[in-house]
Amino acid sequence: RKEVEQDPGPFNVPEGATVAFNCTYSNSASQSFFWYRQDCRKEPKLLMSVYSSGNEDGRFTAQLNRASQYISLLIRDSKLSDSATYLCVAPSRGRRALTFGSGTRLQVQP
Amino acid sequence: EAQVTQNPRYLITVTGKKLTVTCSQNMNHEYMSWYRQDPGLGLRQIYYSMNVEVTDKGDVPEGYKVSRKEKRNFPLILESPSPNQTSLYFCASSSTGFSNQPQHFGDGTRLSIL
Repeated sequence: RKEVEQDPGPFNVPEGATVAFNCTYSNSASQSFFWYRQDCRKEPKLLMSVYSSGNEDGRFTAQLNRASQYISLLIRDSKLSDSATYLCVAPSRGRRALTFGSGTRLQVQP
Repeated sequence: EAQVTQNPRYLITVTGKKLTVTCSQNMNHEYMSWYRQDPGLGLRQIYYSMNVEVTDKGDVPEGYKVSRKEKRNFPLILESPSPNQTSLYFCASSSTGFSNQPQHFGDGTRLSIL
């Protein structure tokens, strides 16, 4: 089983829609998680950290479900500029590193 | 400005010709890492370094070398590049190697090995 798994998408949504992505992780000892955003052929950029209590930043909300070992990202009122690939990140098993999921592609359409 | 700088941004070269991709960070970060990104495979870690003179293998270290002689620099060396090392490479750093620290990425280096 992969350490971090994501649905690759693409998720095609109209502007203004609400969209949610899930990501599952295998390392039950993981404490910290992140969502990164990556535009085509550009570097990944930190979108938000994911805390046990959840985290909200404007239109973006991240949640952690430890029992089922998944994290989620909710984007409200989607903008065209939200079109990107969203990478889920969890601590690696057995070494001081982060494991990145393969990403979920979001395409927001006018 | 806090940043991670990689050079070159683009390189086309031939099989067997040694090359080095440099990475430098100005944030006094202890932890640095190299990744390669390939379609459908996501970001895979090549090597990482917890601090000066401390390096460890990631998921896909074969065919690569690294060194960490200074805190700010973490070069990636391909002694004898092969076509299967054609990829998009990213260097990243974080303040420490603890898993609650996010990583900051350089702009990427696109390598083509013919």
